[in-house]
Amino acid sequence: DTAVSQTPKYLVTQMGNDKSIKCEQNLGHDTMYWYKQDSKKFLKIMFSYNNKELIINETVPNRFSPKSPDKAHLNLHINSLELGDSAVYFCASSQGGEAFFGQGTRLTVV
Amino acid sequence: QKEVEQDPGPLSVPEGAIVSLNCTYSNSAFQYFMWYRQYSRKGPELLMYTYSSGNKEDGRFTAQVDKSSKYISLFIRDSQPSDSATYLCAMSLRSNTGKLIFGQGTTLQVKP
Repeated sequence: DTAVSQTPKYLVTQMGNDKSIKCEQNLGHDTMYWYKQDSKKFLKIMFSYNNKELIINETVPNRFSPKSPDKAHLNLHINSLELGDSAVYFCASSQGGEAFFGQGTRLTVV
Repeated sequence: QKEVEQDPGPLSVPEGAIVSLNCTYSNSAFQYFMWYRQYSRKGPELLMYTYSSGNKEDGRFTAQVDKSSKYISLFIRDSQPSDSATYLCAMSLRSNTGKLIFGQGTTLQVKP
């Protein structure tokens, strides 16, 4: 049974479109994150939610809007997609330091 | 200067070799240190998690943290081809809500 699951796994879309990525964790963790991994495999945090409350919002364009309907779910909506948004987006959850990651969503903007 | 520096490699070793992977960091307030393994087109998988300074061993893997030198290491003994992956160090200021700061990752290839 997958601990942190994301959908979709792959997403190819045109510039200017709006898209969403969904994440669910069944670990009972209070904190969930969105990380972005660039083409050089560098992972950087975008957002963090603790019990549905936004606690970390890094310097991310406001085209990116996270939403946490409950503590087991954290979705990411992206408006007006740009070429530079192409990357792998990872959802993660934690409860005490170490974070557990999903399999990633590979977003390609054409 | 990046907060966490990690040699990106690639690092190529023969099967059975001892591998040493390292990260240095600049923020002395980091308290939690992790190593993740990431296979191609997969998510990062937690390998080792340590709090503050010291050593931790788990099978063929040993993690070391030297806070005085701001230096962490991961040793892999008797390396196997299945260890071929990218290894990412990560650290945070505090548990639970703290964000992880990652190194750039080191790509390791273990040749049979």
